[in-house]
Amino acid sequence: RKEVEQDPGPFNVPEGATVAFNCTYSNSASQSFFWYRQDCRKEPKLLMSVYSSGNEDGRFTAQLNRASQYISLLIRDSKLSDSATYLCVVNVKTGGFKTIFGAGTRLFVKA
Amino acid sequence: GAVVSQHPSWVICKSGTSVKIECRSLDFQATTMFWYRQFPKQSLMLMATSNEGSKATYEQGVEKDKFLINHASLTLSTLTVTSAHPEDSSFYICSARAPGQGYEQYFGPGTRLTVT
Repeated sequence: RKEVEQDPGPFNVPEGATVAFNCTYSNSASQSFFWYRQDCRKEPKLLMSVYSSGNEDGRFTAQLNRASQYISLLIRDSKLSDSATYLCVVNVKTGGFKTIFGAGTRLFVKA
Repeated sequence: GAVVSQHPSWVICKSGTSVKIECRSLDFQATTMFWYRQFPKQSLMLMATSNEGSKATYEQGVEKDKFLINHASLTLSTLTVTSAHPEDSSFYICSARAPGQGYEQYFGPGTRLTVT
């Protein structure tokens, strides 16, 4: 079993749709959580950190359920520019910190 | 804040030559930087963790003599691909942990290496 697992993609949605990505992690020593987006042939960019209380940034809402070891990202009112690969990232405390990347979920938003 | 630069952004070299890639944290000090490789349509693969002032920690299967890492200062890490071969052609990305509670990583723009 992978340490960080994401929904298999790709997701194909029309503009304006709401789309949700799910991610589960297996290590209970996981300490901090993030969503990154990666455009084709570009580097990953931090989209948002994920806090236990849940957090929102414009059209993006991230939630964390530590008991279920589950993270989600909700995108409302999808735009064409949201098309990218979304990576779930977890930092695991192992003395220092080890960062584990999910394989990513590809999103295509179409007009 | 938390800007990471990488140079060069792309390079084409002949088989057998060596290529050096630089990774710099521009507005923060990074005691730890990371080097990743990504093949087309595949996930990021961590190659090594670069520690300022000490030897890098390589992931299993990554040859330390082929991928030389030097982290001589708090803002600069270099990756040298020695005796490059076509199979080394890939997208190499560095990242650095920014100071803060979450230990989030910020990535450089990547270096696309093509070995002919």
